[in-house]
Amino acid sequence: QSVLTQPPSASGTPGQRVTISCSGSSSNVGANTVNWFQHLPGTAPKLLIYYDNQRPSGVPDRFSGSKSGTSASLAISGLQSEDEADYYCATWDASLNGRVFGGGTKLTVL
Amino acid sequence: QVQLVQSGSELEKPGASLKVSCKASGYTFTTYAIDWVRQAPGQGLEWMGWINTGSGNPTYAQGFTGRFVFSLDTSVSTAYLQINNLKADDTGVYYCARRIGVSSRDWRFDLWGRGTLVTVSS
Repeated sequence: QSVLTQPPSASGTPGQRVTISCSGSSSNVGANTVNWFQHLPGTAPKLLIYYDNQRPSGVPDRFSGSKSGTSASLAISGLQSEDEADYYCATWDASLNGRVFGGGTKLTVL
Repeated sequence: QVQLVQSGSELEKPGASLKVSCKASGYTFTTYAIDWVRQAPGQGLEWMGWINTGSGNPTYAQGFTGRFVFSLDTSVSTAYLQINNLKADDTGVYYCARRIGVSSRDWRFDLWGRGTLVTVSS
């Protein structure tokens, strides 16, 4: 079990806005910046958000990140069929002295 | 082209050893750390540790000490993951990732390999 808790699944219809949460503690999310990755099976994971809310170049502004206290969120607006993938949050955990991933959220576009 | 290219799938028997390679191109290899991440079948991503590409110093996550070895050959811009005394539980996809950011607080994996499928079966 990961120290970062994500819902196992999320869904939405095209055009909708969906939010994926990542709940942690003061030793991880509360003290360090959060990354978000998109992963389609058989491919390399892709960085979507870093430093809690920064988008790398090339990532559409439909993807946004936020954080409050010990919880972070990834929001996807204008949902598209190609957004169907697994999404992971990740950060540093001071108690474990290492990087940690959330358990992942499978997003289905209905 | 900036990329990490990993070696192909491996099928090994329990007790054997194997080595996965991760070749970097398009950037100065020793500028950024390389981290390793595993995805077991049906599971999420799990951080295994990292190697300092400048010094060659490896750091292993809890659960990946002893049988797992990170190494480098900077002459060919390649990082390696060796797994010794393979067990069935080692089955999974292993990814290398380039990490930007030296502090524990602010970092990101901005470039990933496509993964190497390791299957351990008798």
